[in-house]
Amino acid sequence: AQSVTQLGSHVSVSEGALVLLRCNYSSSVPPYLFWYVQYPNQGLQLLLKYTSAATLVKGINGFEAEFKKSETSFHLTKPSAHMSDAAEYFCAVSEGGKLIFGQGTELSVKP
Amino acid sequence: DAGVIQSPRHEVTEMGQEVTLRCKPISGHDYLFWYRQTMMRGLELLIYFNNNVPIDDSGMPEDRFSAKMPNASFSTLKIQPSEPRDSAVYFCASSQPGTSGRGQETQYFGPGTRLLVL
Repeated sequence: AQSVTQLGSHVSVSEGALVLLRCNYSSSVPPYLFWYVQYPNQGLQLLLKYTSAATLVKGINGFEAEFKKSETSFHLTKPSAHMSDAAEYFCAVSEGGKLIFGQGTELSVKP
Repeated sequence: DAGVIQSPRHEVTEMGQEVTLRCKPISGHDYLFWYRQTMMRGLELLIYFNNNVPIDDSGMPEDRFSAKMPNASFSTLKIQPSEPRDSAVYFCASSQPGTSGRGQETQYFGPGTRLLVL
């Protein structure tokens, strides 16, 4: 079975600082990987996804993620955090079309 | 495009009562998913449908939970009888497989139903 692990349930950064949210996956086949964001009291929204076309994937709101097979990682980054980035972020792997989610990382942005 | 629609947005009920959650997927989407989100267990897939047919219900916690999809534009998740441990946010999502193959498609989530069982 495939799985993802998100390192750090809470991450706090200052406004303007680099955002780095970590995700490692476990998969016996080339994975399809996703990052979703959840703002308070809302559903999940896709940030970006990796489908083997390119290892560096750019998403919405200035986020990007790099697929590294040797490290089984798919970390999410953003060069400069904005207050509006405060939310919960979920990494997920697709297993036959079903999404297997990590436990989530709550991002706080300090002014 | 209205997105995935869920109702009600909030539900408060007493233990033992029947609860019905509703979902309208995005028009044209063939897949519909029900998820449950709790602090303890995170996001869990309960069941999903393809073309109105249940494909995988291995995530349904127990017989008190049932889900139906009578047509392409409507699905229900029913809990009978409800228990306090069912308190959670329940999400519905839908997707449409692309031409690149199964598994790459984006799932679109509704706003969720926040259920509190007293």
